[in-house]
Amino acid sequence: DVQLVESGGGLIQPGGSLRLSCAASSVTFSGYAMSWVRQAPGKGLEWVSLVTDSGRSTYYADSVKGRFTVSRDNTKSTLYLQMDSLTADDTAIYYCAKASGAYGGYNDFWGQGTPVTVSS
Amino acid sequence: DIQMTQSPSTLSASVGDRVTVTCRASQSIYNWLAWYVQKPGKAPKLLIFKASNLESGVPSRFSGSGSGTEFTLTITSVQPDDFATFYCQQYNSYPFTFGGGTKVEI
Repeated sequence: DVQLVESGGGLIQPGGSLRLSCAASSVTFSGYAMSWVRQAPGKGLEWVSLVTDSGRSTYYADSVKGRFTVSRDNTKSTLYLQMDSLTADDTAIYYCAKASGAYGGYNDFWGQGTPVTVSS
Repeated sequence: DIQMTQSPSTLSASVGDRVTVTCRASQSIYNWLAWYVQKPGKAPKLLIFKASNLESGVPSRFSGSGSGTEFTLTITSVQPDDFATFYCQQYNSYPFTFGGGTKVEI
C-alpha cells in the first residue's frame, strides 16, 4: 500500500515560517498530483493546496494564498509545504494526501498528519 | 468557490439503522464528489469517489448517489465501526472544498 509520512510540524510563533515534508513510498510518486489538507482542533477538514504531477501547476485555498507554497521533488518522492507569515488560524493537523490523477481528483491515500501550533 | 453543505451536522443512530447523509453543492459539480470517513485521532479514509463508486475494500453497506448539486451517502445497516464523522468533497474545480462534516453517533 501507499505510505505517506509527514514531518516538520511543531510550535512556531506568529509571523514565523515552517516547512512541512511528506515522504511517499510504494507509489510512482511522479505520476500523481499531491494535496495538503488541514484540520484545526475540533473542526472539519479544509483543503489547502495541490500540486500536479510534474510540479508545474499549483493551486491554493484563498486562506493561504500568497503565504503558503507547495512544491515537490520527484527524485526524492517528497512533497513540501512552505508556510510563511503564520497566524493562530493556521494551527491545525496538516495531512498530505495522494490524488487519484496526475492533475487532481479525489484523495485515495492519506498520511497520519503532522501538527502545527502557532502561538507565542 | 464552490460551497459544500452537509446535513445533518450530527446524527444519532442505533446499530442496524439505515442512515442517510446529504451533501449539497452551491453549483453543479457533475459527479465529481467523494465521501470520506474519519475517526477521532485518525486520518480520513476514502469511501466513495465519483459520487457512487465504492473504494476497494469498503463494505457494501455504504453507497453513494446523486449528481449535479445534490448527493447522498447511505449506510444500509449501520455497524458499531461506523460511528464516526463523514465528509463530502467536491473535486470539480479548485479549490477542492469539503463539506462541514456529519458526525454519526450512538
